[in-house]
Amino acid sequence: EAGVAQSPRYKIIEKRQSVAFWCNPISGHATLYWYQQILGQGPKLLIQFQNNGVVDDSQLPKDRFSAERLKGVDSTLKIQPAKLEDSAVYLCASSLWLAGGETQYFGPGTRLLVL
Amino acid sequence: GIQVEQSPPDLILQEGANSTLRCNFSDSVNNLQWFHQNPWGQLINLFYIPSGTKQNGRLSATTVATERYSLLYISSSQTTDSGVYFCAVDSGYALNFGKGTSLLVTP
Repeated sequence: EAGVAQSPRYKIIEKRQSVAFWCNPISGHATLYWYQQILGQGPKLLIQFQNNGVVDDSQLPKDRFSAERLKGVDSTLKIQPAKLEDSAVYLCASSLWLAGGETQYFGPGTRLLVL
Repeated sequence: GIQVEQSPPDLILQEGANSTLRCNFSDSVNNLQWFHQNPWGQLINLFYIPSGTKQNGRLSATTVATERYSLLYISSSQTTDSGVYFCAVDSGYALNFGKGTSLLVTP
């Protein structure tokens, strides 16, 4: 089975520019997550979707970050305008709940450097 | 929100040694997962274990929910076990990750 796909893998932009990341979850996974991982820290949840509805976006900086999940499948995360502190790895994950619990599957991430 | 503390922060082992990683959390949880992030950044789910004990090969995990901690055991460590091990917990919808334990296994 194909894993979670993300693109681009790397992005370098200048502050105040805009950037967008794309994620394609594992087929059939209803739940999709975007995380931000700053160097040396654990991932921090930005937003969680269940199908195409938002479950939790309490930690998303809504003045500059936005996300959508098209038709409950692919998702895009946008930053506009970017700040230096947005330099991080942006991880997408999708999950499956079975009788034994939840398993989150992560994509390879997009490494963003804001100059 | 719920606090997650992992120890030790760093660990160096020789191949073949055993280790125990600890995760303490500040509140009751519905969900606790252990992840391994390899040196290339890929995160892999190891266990979903809000309570009880599970084993998968050389890895096992135990969560004592009433005492708010979880342990990850690695036996007969191999160089491919190197990376960062994260514990993540939640009491609602969002997983909160600890800062991780960075493990280096040397030949």
